[in-house]
Amino acid sequence: AQSVTQPDIHITVSEGASLELRCNYSYGATPYLFWYVQSPGQGLQLLLKYFSGDTLVQGIKGFEAEFKRSQSSFNLRKPSVHWSDAAEYFCAVMGKEAAGNKLTFGGGTRVLVKP
Amino acid sequence: EAGVTQSPTHLIKTRGQQATLRCSPISGHTSVYWYQQALGLGLQFLLWYDEGEERNRGNFPPRFSGRQFPNYSSELNVNALELEDSALYLCASSQKQGYGYTFGSGTRLTVV
Repeated sequence: AQSVTQPDIHITVSEGASLELRCNYSYGATPYLFWYVQSPGQGLQLLLKYFSGDTLVQGIKGFEAEFKRSQSSFNLRKPSVHWSDAAEYFCAVMGKEAAGNKLTFGGGTRVLVKP
Repeated sequence: EAGVTQSPTHLIKTRGQQATLRCSPISGHTSVYWYQQALGLGLQFLLWYDEGEERNRGNFPPRFSGRQFPNYSSELNVNALELEDSALYLCASSQKQGYGYTFGSGTRLTVV
């Protein structure tokens, strides 16, 4: 069964500083990988996704993520955070088999941005 | 392009009652997914509908059910509501496998 672990429940970062959110997954092969962001009381917005190919993926809002097969990781990064980046971030995995169209989410990392 | 729309935004029900939540997918998307986001429990997969059929179901009791209509919209029904059913229910749609989901803003269900 597929699973996702986000080791950091909360992260506090100063505005303008860099941000890295960790994500480790468990799956038999290379799955589809996603990062979503959720602002308070809102739905989830897709930041970026990895299907195959280049292991460094660019997303919206200046985010990028790097897939590392050897570490089963898909960490999210942003060079310089803005106050509006305060939100909860979810890493997710989806299997590639025909019946695997289910997104499995990590527990989320809540990001607080200090002025 | 209109996004995924969910209604109602908020719903307050009494324990034992039934709740019906609705979802309209993005035009052209045939798959609809339902997730429950309860406090402290994260995002839990509920149901996946595609082309009018239930394709997959999460680890929820049978009182959670739903359907998908010919226009691909969907409704989620929760019978015999319990206090622990209080949560944000998120609907998402996708065009086909692997393309990622587009989520709606959710229905906040409160059971009192």
